[in-house]
Amino acid sequence: GQSLEQPSEVTAVEGAIVQINCTYQTSGFYGLSWYQQHDGGAPTFLSYNALDGLEETGRFSSFLSRSDSYGYLLLQELQMKDSASYFCAVQRWDYKLSFGAGTTVTVRA
Amino acid sequence: GAGVSQSPSNKVTEKGKDVELRCDPISGHTALYWYRQRLGQGLEFLIYFQGNSAPDKSGLPSDRFSAERTGESVSTLTIQRTQQEDSAVYLCASSFKPQLNTEAFFGQGTRLTVV
Repeated sequence: GQSLEQPSEVTAVEGAIVQINCTYQTSGFYGLSWYQQHDGGAPTFLSYNALDGLEETGRFSSFLSRSDSYGYLLLQELQMKDSASYFCAVQRWDYKLSFGAGTTVTVRA
Repeated sequence: GAGVSQSPSNKVTEKGKDVELRCDPISGHTALYWYRQRLGQGLEFLIYFQGNSAPDKSGLPSDRFSAERTGESVSTLTIQRTQQEDSAVYLCASSFKPQLNTEAFFGQGTRLTVV
């Protein structure tokens, strides 16, 4: 099966930088994705890493180390609207997509 | 359609009744996923389809749960003899040829309440 671990909660102030770590165990790993979900909303795609290294998309960056079965999502210049839950997800070779339990990020003024 | 559509958006049912949840994926998306999300919890994998086939049904919680997909399009998730622990939001997502683009698009979900 698949298992993913990520912190349950993170709190930070506006303008700060937050890093959400994700460690995973799965057979047939294909890639690691990150999704954002606001309260009452549907998850939306943020980023995807299939190869080792850093992917940058505006204020958000995602990193993957396949050898360490580890990745992280970096949120920079935090804004109040970034308060949400963030999920890492592993995609397997057969395209099964499994999610972690999520990290609730609370941004304070 | 423009996005993934799920119906109904809300469903209240009595314990013991059967319910059917519907998902209309984005046209042309080959992969379709069902997840269950309890309040404040993560996304629990239920089942996924590649075309009309379900390679992995291991996430279905019990034999009361079943799902099918036809025409590489619409999917229905059926829960028989509903129990109170089935109360949750059921989310559907679709992806276009996931081997090329891994972004999954989610519907707004069906909020199921079993009373």
